[in-house]
Amino acid sequence: AQSVTQLGSHVSVSEGALVLLRCNYSSSVPPYLFWYVQYPNQGLQLLLKYTSAATLVKGINGFEAEFKKSETSFHLTKPSAHMSDAAEYFCAVSESGGSYIPTFGRGTSLIVHP
Amino acid sequence: EAGVTQFPSHSVIEKGQTVTLRCDPISGHDNLYWYRRVMGKEIKFLLHFVKESKQDESGMPNNRFLAERTGGTYSTLKVQPAELEDSGVYFCASSQGSWGLGYTFGSGTRLTVV
Repeated sequence: AQSVTQLGSHVSVSEGALVLLRCNYSSSVPPYLFWYVQYPNQGLQLLLKYTSAATLVKGINGFEAEFKKSETSFHLTKPSAHMSDAAEYFCAVSESGGSYIPTFGRGTSLIVHP
Repeated sequence: EAGVTQFPSHSVIEKGQTVTLRCDPISGHDNLYWYRRVMGKEIKFLLHFVKESKQDESGMPNNRFLAERTGGTYSTLKVQPAELEDSGVYFCASSQGSWGLGYTFGSGTRLTVV
């Protein structure tokens, strides 16, 4: 079985500050991990994915995430927040070699203050 | 390339009525998925089509939900009769083949049952 925990339903940062959105996963086999973003009134858009290659994954819009097996984490970061980053972010896990249907977290709303 | 299209974008119906949601996947995508998000909770898997066949419908809540995919193109999700707990955002996603590439999601249908 697989599961995802996103710590914090809301994260608030100032424009220009570091963005850190936390995601911990549980998986009985090596996982595939994803971050999606949903802007208001839009569908979910894939930010980045980890599929057992490099552990530091770079995505769109300056976001990156690092897969840490020992910590079962896949936190999303961005060095400097922009107002346009305000959105809801979802972490998802699927199991390689097994059921590929991803399990999503509850989402984290990122609020960016001027 | 047109994205995944869902309509209606919003629907408000009374308890006991019937509602049909439609999803048009990206042309050529054999895989089509339905997900649902109840307010503030996880995005949960409902079912997966490969072309016109149901590959996995383990997430369908009960027999009030009926999904079809005509000729392997667009898909409909019918809720009959609707109950209050069916309220939420229904997402459709499609993928060409390897799920590892990540899905392309539609913008969702917000269903409110009153």
